[in-house]
Amino acid sequence: KQEVTQIPAALSVPEGENLVLNCSFTDSAIYNLQWFRQDPGKGLTSLLLIQSSQREQTSGRLNASLDKSSGRSTLYIAASQPGDSATYLCAVPNSGYSTLTFGKGTMLLVSP
Amino acid sequence: GAGVSQSPSNKVTEKGKDVELRCDPISGHTALYWYRQRLGQGLEFLIYFQGNSAPDKSGLPSDRFSAERTGESVSTLTIQRTQQEDSAVYLCASSPGTESRYTFGSGTRLTVV
Repeated sequence: KQEVTQIPAALSVPEGENLVLNCSFTDSAIYNLQWFRQDPGKGLTSLLLIQSSQREQTSGRLNASLDKSSGRSTLYIAASQPGDSATYLCAVPNSGYSTLTFGKGTMLLVSP
Repeated sequence: GAGVSQSPSNKVTEKGKDVELRCDPISGHTALYWYRQRLGQGLEFLIYFQGNSAPDKSGLPSDRFSAERTGESVSTLTIQRTQQEDSAVYLCASSPGTESRYTFGSGTRLTVV
């Protein structure tokens, strides 16, 4: 059964810092990995999807990397802003199934 | 539609009552997923539809939970004889295919009193 761990569970930084969120998964036989953002009381917004054939995917100030062999992904946020405050979740497909297993997320707070 | 729509957004029900939660996916999305998120917990998979069929019901926590999808569109999640432990946010997502990006709705917050 696929298990996903995210570190740290919470992170508080001043505005302008560059930061890294970590995600690890137990079954490396995945075809993609997704990073999501969840704002309080709202659903999830897909940020980035990395295919297994890719090593990186970029969108604006966000950059996600994927290392299948080691079962790790990182989400890099450059020049953080207060509007980045949210919970960030990574998700990978379950072995043999067409659904996703989610990590518990990293709660990010960026202070002005 | 432009996004995934869920209704109601909030539902308070008495223990023992039945509830129905609705999900309208993005038009043309063949895959539809239901997840549950209890307070302070991660997302818990419930059920997944490909078209109108549910190949994976493994996440339904008990036989009080059921779901259906019709017309490869709207899905309804039904919880019978609700219990307090059913209190959670129920999230629906859809995607063009199972290897594609998910689009989530805003969820239904269910409170069982």
